[in-house]
Amino acid sequence: NAGVTQTPKFRILKIGQSMTLQCTQDMNHNYMYWYRQDPGMGLKLIYYSVGAGITDKGEVPNGYNVSRSTTEDFPLRLELAAPSQTSVYFCASSYRDRATDTQYFGPGTRLTVL
Amino acid sequence: AQKITQTQPGMFVQEKEAVTLDCTYDTSDQSYGLFWYKQPSSGEMIFLIYQGSYDEQNATEGRYSLNFQKARKSANLVISASQLGDSAMYFCAMRPSGTYKYIFGTGTRLKVLA
Repeated sequence: NAGVTQTPKFRILKIGQSMTLQCTQDMNHNYMYWYRQDPGMGLKLIYYSVGAGITDKGEVPNGYNVSRSTTEDFPLRLELAAPSQTSVYFCASSYRDRATDTQYFGPGTRLTVL
Repeated sequence: AQKITQTQPGMFVQEKEAVTLDCTYDTSDQSYGLFWYKQPSSGEMIFLIYQGSYDEQNATEGRYSLNFQKARKSANLVISASQLGDSAMYFCAMRPSGTYKYIFGTGTRLKVLA
């Protein structure tokens, strides 16, 4: 299994440009998440999804949009990139049962906005 | 407000010794999950251990154990027999029951000395 994959690994954007960060998981998890990690900080939740067609805002959603048309894919859209969006972006999916509750993370996308 | 606090920005431990990383949490929920993740310098997030708030026994996973003290609202990670490969950033996180949102602390950077 590939787990959670993210593309691209690195990207440099100019102010005002747009882009989509791709995220795919092959574990058939219902729950998927997007986080950002600023230097020296923990993760902050941008958006999450509990299943195909259902998304909701996290702690820091401004400047981002998401969609979830399939169980596997959860792309994150940046519109009108700003320097404040320079960060490392992690996608995750999770599995939950009585015994455990585990998030699996992708390798991250390092985004710089100049 | 729901919050995770990690008060140790950095710690050193001698190889083969045990180390405890502190984590306190704040929630009014009776049911929640607590987690620890490891982030090596390569950047990926690796799930280490999970503790449910109703679990009576402390969780253990190999050399990792979670010292759960519910009344004190603490969920410290204990790493036994530290190895050089344990040098990384460690994040404590919480997911209140009934939500899909995980809340992360700011992390503790652990350096294992040879």
